[in-house]
Amino acid sequence: DAGVTQSPTHLIKTRGQHVTLRCSPISGHKSVSWYQQVLGQGPQFIFQYYEKEERGRGNFPDRFSARQFPNYSSELNVNALLLGDSALYLCASSPGLGVANEKLFFGSGTQLSVL
Amino acid sequence: TQLLEQSPQFLSIQEGENLTVYCNSSSVFSSLQWYRQEPGEGPVLLVTVVTGGEVKKLKRLTFQFGDARKDSSLHITAAQPGDTGLYLCAGGGSQGNLIFGKGTKLSVKP
Repeated sequence: DAGVTQSPTHLIKTRGQHVTLRCSPISGHKSVSWYQQVLGQGPQFIFQYYEKEERGRGNFPDRFSARQFPNYSSELNVNALLLGDSALYLCASSPGLGVANEKLFFGSGTQLSVL
Repeated sequence: TQLLEQSPQFLSIQEGENLTVYCNSSSVFSSLQWYRQEPGEGPVLLVTVVTGGEVKKLKRLTFQFGDARKDSSLHITAAQPGDTGLYLCAGGGSQGNLIFGKGTKLSVKP
């Protein structure tokens, strides 16, 4: 079975542009979470979606938005890109709500560079 | 705010040496997870510890959860080059999310 797939793998944008990142969860998983990992840091929580509804949001500005589709895939959108948005964006899926003891399966991420 | 602090930040050792990585917090966590991340990949779950004082072994890796459930350690015996990677500890946040430490970057030289 395919794992969590993310596209694109790499992306270069300039300041002020917007970007859309895509994620397909493992088949049967209903929860998708997004994390931002800046170089040298651990991943930071951005959003969690379960059954197409937002269930959690981290401390990120409104320039960040996301949605989940009926097939449980998800998009992360970032508007008005800043240099500081350069990071590895990770998507993770889980069968349920992804509470602390539940195993998260991470994709390989999208490496975003903002110039 | 729940924070997880990991130490050391970097570790470079020779093949065959033993090492311990620490994960500490001032907050109590219902469980802690350890992940390993290789360059260009997402984190992969190694273990979840749930009970205070719990010890779990995964081949040459030994994980311990502190009695007060505020800290955890990862001990690797006879490290191998294949153990090279970023080791992350993570605990449950208030929104069903994971709170990660900054990680320990381990390099094992042959």
